[in-house]
Amino acid sequence: DAGVIQSPRHEVTEMGQEVTLRCKPISGHNSLFWYRQTMMRGLELLIYFNNNVPIDDSGMPEDRFSAKMPNASFSTLKIQPSEPRDSAVYFCASSFRGRDSPLHFGNGTRLTVT
Amino acid sequence: QQQVKQSPQSLIVQKGGISIINCAYENTAFDYFPWYQQFPGKGPALLIAIRPDVSEKKEGRFTISFNKSAKQFSLHIMDSQPGDSATYFCAASVLFGNEKLTFGTGTRLTIIP
Repeated sequence: DAGVIQSPRHEVTEMGQEVTLRCKPISGHNSLFWYRQTMMRGLELLIYFNNNVPIDDSGMPEDRFSAKMPNASFSTLKIQPSEPRDSAVYFCASSFRGRDSPLHFGNGTRLTVT
Repeated sequence: QQQVKQSPQSLIVQKGGISIINCAYENTAFDYFPWYQQFPGKGPALLIAIRPDVSEKKEGRFTISFNKSAKQFSLHIMDSQPGDSATYFCAASVLFGNEKLTFGTGTRLTIIP
């Protein structure tokens, strides 16, 4: 099992540009989560999907952020336009919905907005 | 509003010693309490988890102690090793286990020889 795959690993962009982060969850998992990690705020849940349907997007900071999951094997997190305060490590995680089903994280995308 | 408070922020322990990290929660509906371990450049990985129907769970050198009345839980690492040096996060969730996990702020653990 390759685990949760995220791309790119690093992204450097200028303020105002569109950024798209990608995630391939573990095959068979039916829940997918996007987290953001910063020194100041720790790990924050942005949005999560169950069976490709967004369940809770209350953590999405503002309308500049959007996430999609067109099928069970792919999800994107888009920031448009990006701002320097969006600089963080973004993690995707997946699980099989149910008690004691662990969350499996990818290795993250480190985003730097200059 | 932070629902899971974690301490200390950083911890230095000698090799062979016991590392203790504490967490406190506010939401009494939480019913699943995992600990995650994160190495630099990697995503967090589940280390050990506990449900509120038991007061302790042990897996190898790692033990979770849970105090439901105090709304606190802690991670104990016995015989700490340099390879245990990492950032540790406690977390909590409601309903079906790991959906919408709320994480603590993390503890950077360093094990010195």
